[in-house]
Amino acid sequence: SQKIEQNSEALNIQEGKTATLTCNYTNYSPAYLQWYRQDPGRGPVFLLLIRENEKEKRKERLKVTFDTTLKQSLFHITASQPADSATYLCALAISGAGSYQLTFGKGTKLSVIP
Amino acid sequence: DTAVSQTPKYLVTQMGNDKSIKCEQNLGHDTMYWYKQDSKKFLKIMFSYNNKELIINETVPNRFSPKSPDKAHLNLHINSLELGDSAVYFCASSHVSGANVLTFGAGSRLTVL
Repeated sequence: SQKIEQNSEALNIQEGKTATLTCNYTNYSPAYLQWYRQDPGRGPVFLLLIRENEKEKRKERLKVTFDTTLKQSLFHITASQPADSATYLCALAISGAGSYQLTFGKGTKLSVIP
Repeated sequence: DTAVSQTPKYLVTQMGNDKSIKCEQNLGHDTMYWYKQDSKKFLKIMFSYNNKELIINETVPNRFSPKSPDKAHLNLHINSLELGDSAVYFCASSHVSGANVLTFGAGSRLTVL
């Protein structure tokens, strides 16, 4: 069966450290993978996208890697700050019916401790 | 200047009632979606509309019906509400081409008593 797993439901790290979140999938062949941030009581907000033929993408303190052999994406936040505390969702884009459908993981709740 | 706005933000109702949630986007996107996020925080797609045409319809009960009067609006009607319908419903929009990056609304929390 198809699965998207974000390994940790919750992750606590100290301010200033690098947070690493994991997204694993099985039985999918995504064209690309996206990461979103969701704060309590709000909708998800798009952060980064990485295509199947890309290994790494960066945006300011954020870095995403994508390994289609391992079927895994890693999401890194360097020099983490308390304001980075949120739930982070990975989403796979699967081609079908003339468009891409996004399927989301359950999310990892990150808490950055001052 | 909200890009994707949905109303109401909170909705509390009795089992068996019929309710609607409205969504509007001012981004000029050509595809709109409804997602359901249950108590376990899973975000699951319910419907998408592209140019007034339903292009995705997951295994959602037919008590749920999307209605799109135009490209900027996608409303969700729910008939005969059940306890299990309690969830947060998110509207989203995107360009149909390209990487399909979604812009979400703030969500509508539906509680069925």
